[in-house]
Amino acid sequence: ETGVTQTPRHLVMGMTNKKSLKCEQHLGHNAMYWYKQSAKKPLELMFVYNFKEQTENNSVPSRFSPECPNSSHLFLHLHTLQPEDSALYLCASTGQAENNEQFFGPGTRLTVL
Amino acid sequence: ELKVEQNPLFLSMQEGKNYTIYCNYSTTSDRLYWYRQDPGKSLESLFVLLSNGAVKQEGRLMASLDTKARLSTLHITAAVHDLSATYFCAVGTSGTYKYIFGTGTRLKVLA
Repeated sequence: ETGVTQTPRHLVMGMTNKKSLKCEQHLGHNAMYWYKQSAKKPLELMFVYNFKEQTENNSVPSRFSPECPNSSHLFLHLHTLQPEDSALYLCASTGQAENNEQFFGPGTRLTVL
Repeated sequence: ELKVEQNPLFLSMQEGKNYTIYCNYSTTSDRLYWYRQDPGKSLESLFVLLSNGAVKQEGRLMASLDTKARLSTLHITAAVHDLSATYFCAVGTSGTYKYIFGTGTRLKVLA
């Protein structure tokens, strides 16, 4: 595997379910991100982790719970979601190179019924 | 609070024509990025601009940065259908790992 991978690619869940999204980066980066992309809305930053420490929480509801066990893995735990949480969830990573370029995973398309 | 605005939001153009997408941002930044997103796909990095006056070109796309005006442009030359996609600019905030994205410009190139 190379780059940034995400699983699952598609997820359908009910409002009472608990599920988790997984992101893994194989680039040796130190910072990892969760973004939410809803239809016709800008990309919304949710969380940022740098060397496993959370540095940004962009006022995300507590039904989204991130976990970063190491610099290569990032999870987003989901519980009691709402239909309006249906969106594409993108993971990204960046390193300490001068340009701090972000690399994105393929995304998880989430549908909440 | 850093805000990033793109215009136009939607652009329909004929093949062979030229056009420019604009990205304005509200506070000082030393990093500006352009991405492309195809429908249902993730974001693909196009350009990284790190200094005032930086210009980068790849094929029919050229990006530039004016940090004094807080403006970046993405110029499309002689558009072709394959360039149809949504283009995002993003601004990095100095001293952090935080990025703010513009609203995106949905480009449709008509044959």
